[in-house]
Amino acid sequence: QKEVEQDPGPLSVPEGAIVSLNCTYSNSAFQYFMWYRQYSRKGPELLMYTYSSGNKEDGRFTAQVDKSSKYISLFIRDSQPSDSATYLCAMSPLSGFQKLVFGTGTRLLVSP
Amino acid sequence: DAGVIQSPRHEVTEMGQEVTLRCKPISGHNSLFWYRQTMMRGLELLIYFNNNVPIDDSGMPEDRFSAKMPNASFSTLKIQPSEPRDSAVYFCASNHAPTRTLRTGELFFGEGSRLTVL
Repeated sequence: QKEVEQDPGPLSVPEGAIVSLNCTYSNSAFQYFMWYRQYSRKGPELLMYTYSSGNKEDGRFTAQVDKSSKYISLFIRDSQPSDSATYLCAMSPLSGFQKLVFGTGTRLLVSP
Repeated sequence: DAGVIQSPRHEVTEMGQEVTLRCKPISGHNSLFWYRQTMMRGLELLIYFNNNVPIDDSGMPEDRFSAKMPNASFSTLKIQPSEPRDSAVYFCASNHAPTRTLRTGELFFGEGSRLTVL
């Protein structure tokens, strides 16, 4: 079993829809949670970063962490075609947090 | 500012050949990471360096893989001999090594080297 599970998609939505992307994990030591966005043929880039449980909002993006359920989510409001990309969750423990563990990524397609 | 620079962007080689991938991290960053990305396994950490010193190479799949960082501005990942199962996109990333006050964990990735071994 992988430490981090993520549905590969693709997830297809119309422009303007609310998107929910999710990851589950098994290692209770994970304390840092991140979402990276990867456009086709490019490297991943950091989108959101949270520490421990709770919500964090940045514009149209909201990251949510539920440590009791070992479940994290990324919500995208008013999705745009430019949001079409692969979204990777990543997490690490308090110690050894340079060793990020990534999910396999969910491919999102937002149609105009 | 220039980002992480990787070369070559694409490499097609035959089984048994030596492959060398190169990386120039962002100036001022003192941590460097090599990742491999495949559809099945996603992004996997192969090895990382702090201040040019290898810290953890537990992700290096076999002795056929080796990585070096002779100075703060250059690193190589070598595969010898290469095999078809090594076909993947190899990413280099860099950031500042963590301190007590700086723990964002943000990695800055290059655009990757797409390797195909026939």
